Amino acid sequence: AQSVTQLGSHVSVSEGALVLLRCNYSSSVPPYLFWYVQYPNQGLQLLLKYTSAATLVKGINGFEAEFKKSETSFHLTKPSAHMSDAAEYFCAVSYNQGGKLIFGQGTELSVKP
Amino acid sequence: NAGVTQTPKFQVLKTGQSMTLQCAQDMNHNSMYWYRQDPGMGLRLIYYSASEGTTDKGEVPNGYNVSRLNKREFSLRLESAAPSQTSVYFCASKPPNEQFFGPGTRLTVL
Repeated sequence: AQSVTQLGSHVSVSEGALVLLRCNYSSSVPPYLFWYVQYPNQGLQLLLKYTSAATLVKGINGFEAEFKKSETSFHLTKPSAHMSDAAEYFCAVSYNQGGKLIFGQGTELSVKP
Repeated sequence: NAGVTQTPKFQVLKTGQSMTLQCAQDMNHNSMYWYRQDPGMGLRLIYYSASEGTTDKGEVPNGYNVSRLNKREFSLRLESAAPSQTSVYFCASKPPNEQFFGPGTRLTVL
């Protein structure tokens, strides 16, 4: 079965530090990949998506992610964390254009002052 | 353009009670989805509807039923609520390659 694994259920960084949230998928077929963010008591909001164009994808709020087929990874990064980045982040994969999303377990990001 | 709306925002039920969660979208999307979110488990798909008049089971359909009333509306029904259905429920609608989520319904079953 296809799956998505997010390494680390909780990541803590200092304000201004690099943010790295890890996501690996299991598939032999190139997927569509997504990162969503969920702020407390809110729904999910799309951060960025990879749909077989450029392998480095830029999203909102300074986040970006790089698709690495050889590593089956789609890690999310941000050069400098801000307090407002504290939220839960979900990686998701779809295997065709109209297909269902499969979500990872989520990573909660905390930002320390 | 309200996007995806859900009602109610919060609900407390007793075991055995029934209720319907409502979802509507004004983006003219064909596909709509219901998920539940539980700590440490991400979002799990309950049911989805690829188009008006069709529904299919997702990963965790037991204890739920759905109705795709028209293109805009997709409701989720709990016929006899159980404590294991305590969760946050999200509705989503989808153009190609993306999903738009509603704000969620926080359900507690006592």
